[in-house]
Amino acid sequence: AQSVSQHNHHVILSEAASLELGCNYSYGGTVNLFWYVQYPGQHLQLLLKYFSGDPLVKGIKGFEAEFIKSKFSFNLRKPSVQWSDTAEYFCAADQTGANNLFFGTGTRLTVIP
Amino acid sequence: DAGVTQSPTHLIKTRGQHVTLRCSPISGHKSVSWYQQVLGQGPQFIFQYYEKEERGRGNFPDRFSARQFPNYSSELNVNALLLGDSALYLCASSLALAGVYEQFFGPGTRLTVL
Repeated sequence: AQSVSQHNHHVILSEAASLELGCNYSYGGTVNLFWYVQYPGQHLQLLLKYFSGDPLVKGIKGFEAEFIKSKFSFNLRKPSVQWSDTAEYFCAADQTGANNLFFGTGTRLTVIP
Repeated sequence: DAGVTQSPTHLIKTRGQHVTLRCSPISGHKSVSWYQQVLGQGPQFIFQYYEKEERGRGNFPDRFSARQFPNYSSELNVNALLLGDSALYLCASSLALAGVYEQFFGPGTRLTVL
């Protein structure tokens, strides 16, 4: 069955710490991958996406993600987090190519000043 | 420019009732998708509409239906409400169907079924 797994449910970091949030998917074949963020009281918004090409994808606000096909992973990274990065982060996959997104359960990130 | 708008913001219904949720996409966007987000979970895909036709359907019962109007706005209808239908219902719009077009999400409608 198709699935997206985010194993970290809640991550707590101090400002300036490095961040890595895990995401694994269980799709065969071509898949488009996304990271979305939901800041407190705000809408879901796109951080970055991978369709093809360079497996290292750079997004907004200093975030990046690496697609590792052999590991079925698409982990999100940021070298130095800020208090304003406190939010819920969702990994999503689309095998249809038509934006029919399948989301993971999300990871809540709390950054302590 | 206005983003995706949804109405109502909150809604309380009782089991067995019917509900209609509304979504207005960003101006110029022709594709609208609906997602259900249960507390503590990620959004789950319900429907996608493009040019007034259903183009994608998730694993939801027939009690869920939707339609898209000529102005590209959309309605999500849920019949015979169950307690488990309590969730945040999200609408997302994009310029067209292809995944290269970013989906923009609305604030959602919080549905509580008692």
